[in-house]
Amino acid sequence: AQSVTQLGSHVSVSEGALVLLRCNYSSSVPPYLFWYVQYPNQGLQLLLKYTSAATLVKGINGFEAEFKKSETSFHLTKPSAHMSDAAEYFCAVNGQGAQKLVFGQGTRLTINP
Amino acid sequence: GAVVSQHPSRVICKSGTSVKIECRSLDFQATTMFWYRQFPKQSLMLMATSNEGSKATYEQGVEKDKFLINHASLTLSTLTVTSAHPEDSSFYICSAAEMALRNEKLFFGSGTQLSVL
Repeated sequence: AQSVTQLGSHVSVSEGALVLLRCNYSSSVPPYLFWYVQYPNQGLQLLLKYTSAATLVKGINGFEAEFKKSETSFHLTKPSAHMSDAAEYFCAVNGQGAQKLVFGQGTRLTINP
Repeated sequence: GAVVSQHPSRVICKSGTSVKIECRSLDFQATTMFWYRQFPKQSLMLMATSNEGSKATYEQGVEKDKFLINHASLTLSTLTVTSAHPEDSSFYICSAAEMALRNEKLFFGSGTQLSVL
């Protein structure tokens, strides 16, 4: 079975500060890992994905994530937070099916002016 | 990029009535669609996998007779919440997998907020 744990249900940073959202995974097979963003009352938008290629993955809106097998982690970072980054962020791993995703609990990111 | 349209975005209904939610892939064909449920401030929980032309596969604990899924074409899947009750109130989200791309590519609808009175 596969699972994802997001550390911290709520993260608050100042505008311009570093954003770090933590995600640890558990998988019996090489994982595909994803980060999604959800704005209020909307669906999910893919930020980036890791599919066994480069371990440092760059996504949209200046976000990036690094796959660390030794730490079973896939933390999401952004060097400088923007007010528009305020949203809910979900880490996900491929489930048993080719396209089934198992989501983490989500982390709400708040940006302080 | 690929677009998935989900309709309606919000619905309010009386207890005991049925509600149908549509999920359409607008510019690609989707052999597989997924239906998720999200409670407030919680994560998405997969309810079922919908395959075009065949019966849906439901996750453990999801009542197939209550949540009817139909995937009659490569661009449309519907979720019908039958005899809805207040505990069915939730945010429902669909996703669709594009045939031409690698399996890990999914596109999500914008969600449907269901409120049962």
